[in-house]
Amino acid sequence: DIVMTQTPLSLSVTPGQPASISCKSSQSLLHSDGKTYLYWYLQKPGQPPQLLIYEVSNRFSGVPDRFSGSGSGTDFTLKISRVEAEDVGVYYCMQSIQLPLTFGPGTKVDIK
Amino acid sequence: EVQLVESGGGLVQPGRSLRLSCAASGFTFDDYAMHWVRQAPGKGLEWVSGISWNSGSIGYADSVKGRFTISRDNAKNSLYLQMNSLRAEDTALYYCAKDHEGIAAAGTLFDYWGQGTLVTVSS
Repeated sequence: DIVMTQTPLSLSVTPGQPASISCKSSQSLLHSDGKTYLYWYLQKPGQPPQLLIYEVSNRFSGVPDRFSGSGSGTDFTLKISRVEAEDVGVYYCMQSIQLPLTFGPGTKVDIK
Repeated sequence: EVQLVESGGGLVQPGRSLRLSCAASGFTFDDYAMHWVRQAPGKGLEWVSGISWNSGSIGYADSVKGRFTISRDNAKNSLYLQMNSLRAEDTALYYCAKDHEGIAAAGTLFDYWGQGTLVTVSS
């Protein structure tokens, strides 16, 4: 199974300041079709997860442009350019290059 | 509007069975693969199982293989999870999630999630 790790596991951010979360996979997520199957989800308190970023760097419909994703191979980063109060929650990376699909442990983001 | 509504959770004794259901609406159900993802209390997300649009391709996490069975009824726009030989470690909120494609393979992503149904396994 592919193991996903995230750092940090928690993050306290001042509104308006940037934030960055790292995700690493135990194997490359670059598929033979040329796509890299790394995703980012945000689970707000009391809600199911919601898709933020697909295939490393593509924002899902309705996701604000303050969210951006980057990376390749086994190393990935989610950045929030200016954190807002509504961004609190737990951020998960996920791989789907192979089954079983696996998630990172999550990074809890709160507001200072 | 896409809606996924899970049901069937509850308190069950270890070793017993439970069947979860997910009623889907707002999209053409038989065009898409579907999945179950669970979250133990205070813990992270764990993919449990996925099924392709025509039930031709099915996958399970090792932790549930041989005990859980995923199925779907496209005529009823419904997804199911039959859970047998339940263990304390199966206690979790079980989410139904829609895939963005018909086959649960490389490139799977969950674009819509239900609110979940809670399963508690305890004597």
